[in-house]
Amino acid sequence: NAGVTQTPKFQVLKTGQSMTLQCAQDMNHNSMYWYRQDPGMGLRLIYYSASEGTTDKGEVPNGYNVSRLNKREFSLRLESAAPSQTSVYFCASTGRGTDTQYFGPGTRLTVL
Amino acid sequence: QKEVEQDPGPLSVPEGAIVSLNCTYSNSAFQYFMWYRQYSRKGPELLMYTYSSGNKEDGRFTAQVDKSSKYISLFIRDSQPSDSATYLCAMIEGGSYIPTFGRGTSLIVHP
Repeated sequence: NAGVTQTPKFQVLKTGQSMTLQCAQDMNHNSMYWYRQDPGMGLRLIYYSASEGTTDKGEVPNGYNVSRLNKREFSLRLESAAPSQTSVYFCASTGRGTDTQYFGPGTRLTVL
Repeated sequence: QKEVEQDPGPLSVPEGAIVSLNCTYSNSAFQYFMWYRQYSRKGPELLMYTYSSGNKEDGRFTAQVDKSSKYISLFIRDSQPSDSATYLCAMIEGGSYIPTFGRGTSLIVHP
């Protein structure tokens, strides 16, 4: 039982490049989330998926897109990376009937 | 003003001290309260979860909720250097999928 896994762990991009961050969970959770964490800003929700087949915007969705590929996987795409997207990105999931989130190890992204 | 306020610290204490970490909130609809611990360069991990006013104890950790004052606390007894981390409070409304996080308090326990 690996919990929530994220790939890659680190990534450096140039402005304008695109990339997809991958997240998978093996806990049969219904809801999945993408956050970014910046110094002094705490965790900010980018997008979430309450259940398979649905996605909704969070607090800071601009510049990102998501895909809930199936119940296990939820990906985050940056179409044209900007330096303001330099951050640590966390994926999380929640099971039905619970409110507690389980987090992945994070992806450290630098956009030059 | 953010819905959840948390002093960022850092809070530096000697080993063995009792630590008190706190959050205040303004949304009276919050029903569930959580504390997460985040080690440097790691993801947050759930430490404590409670949904009622009063105290909940788990080993050296005690979570306290005062809904009338909109104030929650996490107490750590006999603090250890391994407790050095950032502690995030989180709260959620009943029936919601989305928790609201505090910005985290950095705790340093020195030997």
